[in-house]
Amino acid sequence: RKEVEQDPGPFNVPEGATVAFNCTYSNSASQSFFWYRQDCRKEPKLLMSVYSSGNEDGRFTAQLNRASQYISLLIRDSKLSDSATYLCVGAYNNNDMRFGAGTRLTVKP
Amino acid sequence: GAVVSQHPSRVICKSGTSVKIECRSLDFQATTMFWYRQFPKQSLMLMATSNEGSKATYEQGVEKDKFLINHASLTLSTLTVTSAHPEDSSFYICSAVAGSYNEQFFGPGTRLTVL
Repeated sequence: RKEVEQDPGPFNVPEGATVAFNCTYSNSASQSFFWYRQDCRKEPKLLMSVYSSGNEDGRFTAQLNRASQYISLLIRDSKLSDSATYLCVGAYNNNDMRFGAGTRLTVKP
Repeated sequence: GAVVSQHPSRVICKSGTSVKIECRSLDFQATTMFWYRQFPKQSLMLMATSNEGSKATYEQGVEKDKFLINHASLTLSTLTVTSAHPEDSSFYICSAVAGSYNEQFFGPGTRLTVL
């Protein structure tokens, strides 16, 4: 079983839609969680960290449920530029990060 | 944020040759760098942790004699794919932790194609 599992998608949504991605992790020792964004043939870039209390950054909201070992990302008012692959990451520390396979999002006009 | 560079960005080579990929932290020192590999439509898989001045730590299933890692300075780590074969064709990405930012910063990646 993979340490971090995500629905690979693809998610195809119209501009302005709200879309949610889910992720589960198997190792309860994971301490930190992140969402990264990866554009085609590019390196991943940090989108946001995920906290148990939930955190919001503009149109993006991330949530962590440690009891269920579940992480989510909500994108509101989707833009064309949001089209990318979103990677869920669980980390024991900054030196040991485990990536999910990614969820592909395409936002269409 | 901190900047990590990789060179080359793309390389095509013949089967049996060796390829060296460089990873540099441009504006910070990194005692630890990481090497990942990503096959199409798959997740990033950690290959090894590169430690400045000491031997790299390899993940299970990664051959240390095939993927040679050298971290000779605080700003440079190199990955050499020895005797490359077509199945080694992949996207190789390095990253480094910038202490002041407490996050990993990724290089732009190197796309290796072995013919």
